[in-house]
Amino acid sequence: QKEVEQDPGPLSVPEGAIVSLNCTYSNSAFQYFMWYRQYSRKGPELLMYTYSSGNKEDGRFTAQVDKSSKYISLFIRDSQPSDSATYLCATPQGTGFQKLVFGTGTRLLVSP
Amino acid sequence: EAEVAQSPRYKITEKSQAVAFWCDPISGHATLYWYRQILGQGPELLVQFQDESVVDDSQLPKDRFSAERLKGVDSTLKIQPAELGDSAMYLCASSGQTSYEQYFGPGTRLTVT
Repeated sequence: QKEVEQDPGPLSVPEGAIVSLNCTYSNSAFQYFMWYRQYSRKGPELLMYTYSSGNKEDGRFTAQVDKSSKYISLFIRDSQPSDSATYLCATPQGTGFQKLVFGTGTRLLVSP
Repeated sequence: EAEVAQSPRYKITEKSQAVAFWCDPISGHATLYWYRQILGQGPELLVQFQDESVVDDSQLPKDRFSAERLKGVDSTLKIQPAELGDSAMYLCASSGQTSYEQYFGPGTRLTVT
């Protein structure tokens, strides 16, 4: 079993839709959870991160962690064509919790 | 806005040749990471530096890959000899005090023919 699992998609939605992107993880010791956005042929860009359980909101983006089910979600409200990208969830582990372990990424396509 | 710089952006090389990638982290970031990202997958850590010291190179194929960060600032990742399976995006990232906030450069896309 992979430590962080993600549906690769693609996920296609119309502009304005609410998007839900999800990851599951295997190790209950994981505490921090990050979401990165990666445009084609570019490096990943840190969107937001959460600690432990609960929600965190930043503009149209909301990150949610459910530690009881080991489930991580990213919600995008009022999705835009510019949101079309691959979304990667990640969690730090190892000594000092510095090594990021990524999911495979979910490709999102928002059509005008 | 400070960014991680990488060069070259694209590299095509023949198998058995040597190739090198360069990374300049965000100024003041003590920790530097090299990741490899195969198409359709998430990045995987190859090597991590804290200043000039290697902290984790457990996933670095040491028979052909080497990495250095001599002055604790910029870093070079080398592959010699390159193999077809090395074709991937090589990403450099850096972090400051909060190690889980890692900032990535644009990457070097390597194609081995």
